Parts: sequence; C-alpha cells; structure tokens
Amino acid sequence: AAGVIQSPRHLIKEKRETATLKCYPIPRHDTVYWYQQGPGQDPQFLISFYEKMQSDKGSIPDRFSAQQFSDYHSELNMSSLELGDSALYFCASSLQGSEKLFFGSGTQLSVL
Amino acid sequence: DAKTTQPPSMDCAEGRAANLPCNHSTISGNEYVYWYRQIHSQGPQYIIHGLKNNETNEMASLIITEDRKSSTLILPHATLRDTAVYYCIVRALPNTGNQFYFGTGTSLTVIP
Repeated sequence: AAGVIQSPRHLIKEKRETATLKCYPIPRHDTVYWYQQGPGQDPQFLISFYEKMQSDKGSIPDRFSAQQFSDYHSELNMSSLELGDSALYFCASSLQGSEKLFFGSGTQLSVL
Repeated sequence: DAKTTQPPSMDCAEGRAANLPCNHSTISGNEYVYWYRQIHSQGPQYIIHGLKNNETNEMASLIITEDRKSSTLILPHATLRDTAVYYCIVRALPNTGNQFYFGTGTSLTVIP
C-alpha cells in the first residue's frame, strides 16, 4: 500500500540558507501535518492543512511557511536557517473523520 | 498544556506482557485516547484508540478506566521489536486537521 512520501530524506544546508521539504500524502488523504523532532526530543507540531487550507498552527517559527497544493501535496519552506533548525521533520497525512495519522519516514535536516 | 502523564521509562522481559499506563485526568467527554509509538528515528506509528470501551486489535489492547481519567496500553507478548517510545494522546474527533500533540512518552525497553 502507498505510504506518505517525504523528500529529500537528507538535506544539508548552511546557516542563513533556505530549504524546501516536500510531502506527498497517501492518495485520497485530505489532511497534512508537519512535525519537527530535535535530537532526543518528542515530535513538536508545526502546522496542519485540511483541504488545502491551513487548519491549525503550532510552534512554527515565522521564518517557516507551508502550504498544501491542489494535488494535496505539501511543502515546508524554511528560510534564514539556524543551527537550531537541525532536526528530523516528519509529515503525516490522514483522511477527514479518520482517527489515524500516517507518518512518512522524515527528512533529516542538518544546518552547518 | 500537557493533557497526559506517562512514566518516562519502563522495562519489560521479552515474551511477557508490557503494561503502559497513562493519566489523562482532564479528558473531555468528546476526546478519544490514542496510542502511537516511535521506533528510533522512524515516523510514529498508530497503535490503537478508544473512547470509553476497552479496545483490542492485532497489535495491542487498550483498557480505559470507567471515569476515563486513565488508561493502560497492553502489549500481550512483548518482543525486542517493541522497544520504542510510546505516546498516549487525547484528542477530539472529528479530525479536520486540528493539532495533534505528542507529549513526553514512555521509553519501553524489551529485555531479552
């Protein structure tokens, strides 16, 4: 069965650069969530989208933005990268009314 | 705000039942109890959820107290592959992308 696909798997950037992470949800899923997980920490909710509209917002820095496109894929744009942005970034998708979130394998971002 | 409280760590002998407790004393009437787990650096994985009745599936059983203020996840025959961080989460349905918070879970180590 198709799963949530995230790209790239690994990304290395330098301070003050920009990065774009992509998430392709499971077909027919209409909701996307983004999480950030620092080393040894629990996943932190960043932002979510339902039917291409922002649904909820968590601890997402102003330097980050995200959107969900007409094909339901989502992109997380990160600018002015800082060392502290180094983390695993997970995307999850679900279907409206469903109880289950399905997570991708994550993108490991390293800021040098 | 932390809606759930879990012990930070637990050990369990391989082949024995693992019982993971969770306190959610402020749970609302429309909030479900969910359990997810995260095996090292992988995306979190759905295990089970329930409202007030006990639930069982192929992975685990969920026991919710009558007052719904606490619950226990039971892995009936723990294996080494069950070593993971287990998260207990409360959240209302319907799911329209509203935030889904991971608190501080329980790190379960299954010992050979």
